[in-house]
Amino acid sequence: GIQVEQSPPDLILQEGANSTLRCNFSDSVNNLQWFHQNPWGQLINLFYIPSGTKQNGRLSATTVATERYSLLYISSSQTTDSGVYFCALGAGSYQLTFGKGTKLSVIP
Amino acid sequence: DSGVTQTPKHLITATGQRVTLRCSPRSGDLSVYWYQQSLDQGLQFLIQYYNGEERAKGNILERFSAQQFPDLHSELNLSSLELGDSALYFCASSVGSGAEAFFGQGTRLTVV
Repeated sequence: GIQVEQSPPDLILQEGANSTLRCNFSDSVNNLQWFHQNPWGQLINLFYIPSGTKQNGRLSATTVATERYSLLYISSSQTTDSGVYFCALGAGSYQLTFGKGTKLSVIP
Repeated sequence: DSGVTQTPKHLITATGQRVTLRCSPRSGDLSVYWYQQSLDQGLQFLIQYYNGEERAKGNILERFSAQQFPDLHSELNLSSLELGDSALYFCASSVGSGAEAFFGQGTRLTVV
């Protein structure tokens, strides 16, 4: 099956700092999503981005499908951005395969 | 709110027991997926249904079973529960394969 690798595994930021999270994958995809899992366990959709670039407020994402990676940018981080960020891929099969996540801690 | 509803939110039960988790997908979504999230295994795909038919199977134990009903809601049945089955169980739904999937709030199962 498809392999998904996220980096870094852990990230600690000062409030207001910017960050880039990376997701590398091993195969062509027809679905790529970024999720934020908050401290209460909820999985919140951030982006559906099998290719191209999207922006939503302080967050943006870029997927370069031909080079098999996706990036999630968080600017001016806030404490509410803390949690785990997952990249999940669908490649031919129907279900999403999740990476192990990046645990982000934003400190005041 | 994702539009996917899972009940119950929390469940505590004893080893050897059987439980049923319920999921109502977003309006219009035909695909339902079940995932298990445990500390050591991460988010693992269990099973998918599409319009009432089983579409794909992942790492689902034989003690676990699922179904999707004509009204498209789905149930995940977990039997002969073991301590290691304690986890967060998510249901997700999408319009179809390759489409954006939306997750419910999860059911936190604790087996004691």
